[in-house]
Amino acid sequence: QQQVKQSPQSLIVQKGGISIINCAYENTAFDYFPWYQQFPGKGPALLIAIRPDVSEKKEGRFTISFNKSAKQFSLHIMDSQPGDSATYFCAASLKSGYSTLTFGKGTMLLVSP
Amino acid sequence: ETGVTQTPRHLVMGMTNKKSLKCEQHLGHNAMYWYKQSAKKPLELMFVYSLEERVENNSVPSRFSPECPNSSHLFLHLHTLQPEDSALYLCASSQDEGGWDGYTFGSGTRLTVV
Repeated sequence: QQQVKQSPQSLIVQKGGISIINCAYENTAFDYFPWYQQFPGKGPALLIAIRPDVSEKKEGRFTISFNKSAKQFSLHIMDSQPGDSATYFCAASLKSGYSTLTFGKGTMLLVSP
Repeated sequence: ETGVTQTPRHLVMGMTNKKSLKCEQHLGHNAMYWYKQSAKKPLELMFVYSLEERVENNSVPSRFSPECPNSSHLFLHLHTLQPEDSALYLCASSQDEGGWDGYTFGSGTRLTVV
C-alpha cells in the first residue's frame, strides 16, 4: 500500500496554543482521511475524518485542513489542553471498492500546563 | 471500554511457547482486523476478516495464525515467535470492510517474546 508520511514525530505545545500535525500521501486515489487519537495503554480512537470534496472540517477544537493539489492534510488543535496529550495518527484509504487504512507513524503531542 | 475487548492485556512468552490472543466485539460489526504496533513505526495491518472470511493477509509470517470462528470473535494464535515480534497487538472492528464509519480498536495485548 502507498505510504502516508506524518510529521513531526513529537510536538510540545503550551496550554492554550495551537497544535499542528501534518500528513502527506502519495496515492491520488485515496479519498478518505481520518485522524486517530491514542492515549497510553489504550487503542487508537477515531477523532475526526474528512473526504476530499471539502477543504476543511471542524469539530469543536479539532480541525482538518485538506489540500488536494498538494496531497497534504493536517490536524489543528485549537486552545490545546493537557488532556489532549496523546499520540495522533493520520490515515488514508480508498472509498470505492475494498480498502483498509494506511496509517502514518504517529505524532506524540505533549501539552504543557 | 470501547466495545472491543482484548485479552490478555500483557503476555510474556518464550520462543518455543504457543499462546493465543483473543478479541471480542459486540458492536454488530462485520469486519475485524489484527494490527501490530511497534515503536516509531506505522500501524501494520496483519489480517482482515469480513463476515468471518479472511480477505487480506499482508505477508505475515506463518508463526502468526488467525482464526475467526464467528463475527464477534477473533483470535491470533502464536507459535515459535522471535524477539522482534514483541509489540502491541491491536484488534479492531468496523461496520464494513472499508471502515468509513471508523475503526473501533481494543486496548491491545502487549506481547514480549523472551
